[in-house]
Amino acid sequence: GAGVSQTPSNKVTEKGKYVELRCDPISGHTALYWYRQSLGQGPEFLIYFQGTGAADDSGLPNDRFFAVRPEGSVSTLKIQRTERGDSAVYLCASSPQGGPYNEQFFGPGTRLTVL
Amino acid sequence: AQSVSQHNHHVILSEAASLELGCNYSYGGTVNLFWYVQYPGQHLQLLLKYFSGDPLVKGIKGFEAEFIKSKFSFNLRKPSVQWSDTAEYFCAVNAGIQGAQKLVFGQGTRLTINP
Repeated sequence: GAGVSQTPSNKVTEKGKYVELRCDPISGHTALYWYRQSLGQGPEFLIYFQGTGAADDSGLPNDRFFAVRPEGSVSTLKIQRTERGDSAVYLCASSPQGGPYNEQFFGPGTRLTVL
Repeated sequence: AQSVSQHNHHVILSEAASLELGCNYSYGGTVNLFWYVQYPGQHLQLLLKYFSGDPLVKGIKGFEAEFIKSKFSFNLRKPSVQWSDTAEYFCAVNAGIQGAQKLVFGQGTRLTINP
């Protein structure tokens, strides 16, 4: 079946602009995660949804970052007033349910470049 | 807080050579351990995982890893590498308790296999 999909695959924006990144998880997966991967680094956790609610948003770097999952399926990561330091690959992952024993399936990522 | 350290940033081997990639983690409690792989142009995928039981775990494509609790290590091994193993490898950990969702990743090891 279809895996996790993310759109757009690439996004170039200017400093100070607002961007939205979309994630479509695997159908039926209740848990959804966002990570950020900077060049030469491993993915870094941002936020975790169980269903519609954000169960852990401890990784969001500041209040310019916000994510929603209104119907418990598709999720949108929103970044306000983008800064050059926000440039990274934003990864989405989903798993059948929450908990530490479930494999997380990753999407291809959105490469964000802030000029 | 948990952290993961991968000792080698870039490893270059010839085909048929043996491989060992180091991974050490920092966390005092029960952990679940993972190795993910990212082939060129592809998304992250799970190679193998350890939750409990036999500390020697076998994954896909002939890879295995050994959990040594006393050394806080989870090194990845393969007896004979192939050119197709060229990829980036990430070690990851999460706390093995209910409610622990996020994966903490190492910075990754880029593996290049020369034919």
